[in-house]
Amino acid sequence: SYELTQPPSVSVSPGQTASITCSGDKLGDKYVCWYQQKSGQSPVLVIDQDTKRPSGIPERFSGSNSGNTATLTISGTQAMDEADYYCQAWDSSSSAVFGGGTQLTVL
Amino acid sequence: EVQLVQSGAEVKKPGESLKISCKGSGYSFTSYWIGWVRQMPGKGLEWMGMIYPGDSDTRYSPSFQGQVTMSADKSIYTAYLQWSSLKASDTAMYYCARLDVNGMDVWGQGTTVTVSS
Repeated sequence: SYELTQPPSVSVSPGQTASITCSGDKLGDKYVCWYQQKSGQSPVLVIDQDTKRPSGIPERFSGSNSGNTATLTISGTQAMDEADYYCQAWDSSSSAVFGGGTQLTVL
Repeated sequence: EVQLVQSGAEVKKPGESLKISCKGSGYSFTSYWIGWVRQMPGKGLEWMGMIYPGDSDTRYSPSFQGQVTMSADKSIYTAYLQWSSLKASDTAMYYCARLDVNGMDVWGQGTTVTVSS
C-alpha cells in the first residue's frame, strides 16, 4: 500500500518560514493536498492540487511537489498557524492516503 | 453556505450496532463524493472510504472493507456510516468530508463514538 511520510514535529519562530515535508514514492506524479487541524477542530483544506489555495486561505500558505517530496511552506508564520498538518494523496486504487501528520509549534 | 452537519456523540457497548449520519446543505448533494475519515484518540487521520450519493457507488479502503457499511439517502441529503457489531477499538472521532476534484474541501464537525463496557 502507498505510504506518505511526514516529520512528527516542526518548530518555527513567529515571523519566520516553516516548511513541512511529505515524502512518498514518485509523489510528484500525484496531486497532493494539505490540511490544517487545530486542537479540537475539524481539518481544513489549506492547499489543493499541490499549489492551489482555497478561498479564504491566507497567501502565506503555499505548496510545491516534485520528485518524491511535497512541501507545505508557511511564510511569516503566526501564532494562529500552530496546528497539526496532514498531507494527502490518492493511491492507484482510488483510496485517499494521509501522511502521519506534523505538529507545528510556533515559539 | 455549504456545510456538512453530523449526528451527535454516541456511547455504546461492545457488540452493539450504530449508524451515524452526515447531512449536506448548500450544494448539489448528489454531485459530490462524500468521504469518511477516522481519527482515533491522539492519532492521525485515516481514510475509510467514500460514497457517491447520486448512485450510491461506494469505495472502501481495504483496511475498513467488511468492518463498516456506507450508505446514502439522496432524498434527504444524508450519508451514513454504520457498524453491525462495535468493538472497543472503534472508539474514535469520525468525520465526513466533501470531495472536490482532488481534496476534501468541506468537513463535518465530527461525531465522537465511544465503545465501552
